[in-house]
Amino acid sequence: DAKTTQPTSMDCAEGRAANLPCNHSTISGNEYVYWYRQIHSQGPQYIIHGLKNNETNEMASLTITEDRKSSTLILPHATLRDTAVYYCIVRYLSGAGNMLTFGGGTRLMVKP
Amino acid sequence: NAGVMQNPRHLVRRRGQEARLRCSPMKGHSHVYWYRQLPEEGLKFMVYLQKENIIDESGMPKERFSAEFPKEGPSILRIQQVVRGDSAAYFCASSPQNEQFFGPGTRLTVL
Repeated sequence: DAKTTQPTSMDCAEGRAANLPCNHSTISGNEYVYWYRQIHSQGPQYIIHGLKNNETNEMASLTITEDRKSSTLILPHATLRDTAVYYCIVRYLSGAGNMLTFGGGTRLMVKP
Repeated sequence: NAGVMQNPRHLVRRRGQEARLRCSPMKGHSHVYWYRQLPEEGLKFMVYLQKENIIDESGMPKERFSAEFPKEGPSILRIQQVVRGDSAAYFCASSPQNEQFFGPGTRLTVL
């Protein structure tokens, strides 16, 4: 799986949009971009994933650049409960090697 | 639909004892993954199983660790002769195909 690079930490004011960047310059054409988050000591929670088009669901939006070398996870109105470590992961979807490879992630702190 | 269940949530063992961690996947999910998270680190893949088969165990230590996912019942991660370095949070995830849904984890403490 391609490696990803994320900032170690970010702050965001409550109610504002949180934009979390991720670089994945060596991503291959068949790899998807996945985002998970881990709220203090809990199991990781799936947020969203995409291949090349922008995606949106009830939790967040994902924008992927045209060259697919980077992406941004957007939490449109961050709340205190969004404080967590956010992991950007690129992976293939099938086969024996489709485990998730977690990097260091971005520690997002939402402040009142 | 209940989520992924893991038990026990906390497990304390003395060095040399055995630890058994259980994972019940979500209903209808036939793929189970086990991950380990050491303090202040990210999750590390251990093993991937489908019903009665180990698909990928490239992340499993070669000794003392084993995993199974029988036809009936939960998936079991077994650690024999535990050592202090085995202290960690162990998470399992289940998947119908692609997205993985994680359980709350088992926190193993080895005294």
